[in-house]
Amino acid sequence: ETGVTQSPTHLIKTRGQQVTLRCSSQSGHNTVSWYQQALGQGPQFIFQYYREEENGRGNFPPRFSGLQFPNYSSELNVNALELDDSALYLCASSPAGAADRDTEAFFGQGTRLTVV
Amino acid sequence: QKEVEQNSGPLSVPEGAIASLNCTYSDRGSQSFFWYRQYSGKSPELIMFIYSNGDKEDGRFTAQLNKASQYVSLLIRDSQPSDSATYLCAVKGSSASKIIFGSGTRLSIRP
Repeated sequence: ETGVTQSPTHLIKTRGQQVTLRCSSQSGHNTVSWYQQALGQGPQFIFQYYREEENGRGNFPPRFSGLQFPNYSSELNVNALELDDSALYLCASSPAGAADRDTEAFFGQGTRLTVV
Repeated sequence: QKEVEQNSGPLSVPEGAIASLNCTYSDRGSQSFFWYRQYSGKSPELIMFIYSNGDKEDGRFTAQLNKASQYVSLLIRDSQPSDSATYLCAVKGSSASKIIFGSGTRLSIRP
């Protein structure tokens, strides 16, 4: 157990809808990263939040957005869902900020999103 | 060229043998290197990290890093059936905020 929890674990949405995924980081961790993992692929970096600010973004369109709250929990919002958004969404928390190399990430169990 | 490359496998290794998993990366400024294990339907689990050139051992696992060759590997000694999983190589690049993953190598340990 990593102490990182995500909700919900599974979700089915219809194309065009919006979805919010949630993540509670491990105690003492102030950095949260979100990843999308399609079947048979490695996780793809969506963005990272550090102390409530976005701290880096991958090649994802603006309809992928996020928030980090004062308690360091985080949300991932996806608007105008497309079929290709079907994937495992992973949240990872880390104990330090961008400048510290010792920021191995610990993953939650993931949210399996299916868009139909 | 992908930023982190791994052979997708499957790599089949007999029980008790050494499994060798390899990874190359493109960003010379990369500073931190990680190996994650992922069982089917589960999230990745960190098993090793390495920052300096050379070898780092932890139990049956040894990570090897060669920054000049931009190469990182994972050796698993005395392979067990429970080691059968997908192994993801991950690199924290010069843009310190993100960790970039390879697509993973499927490892199968045969009894």
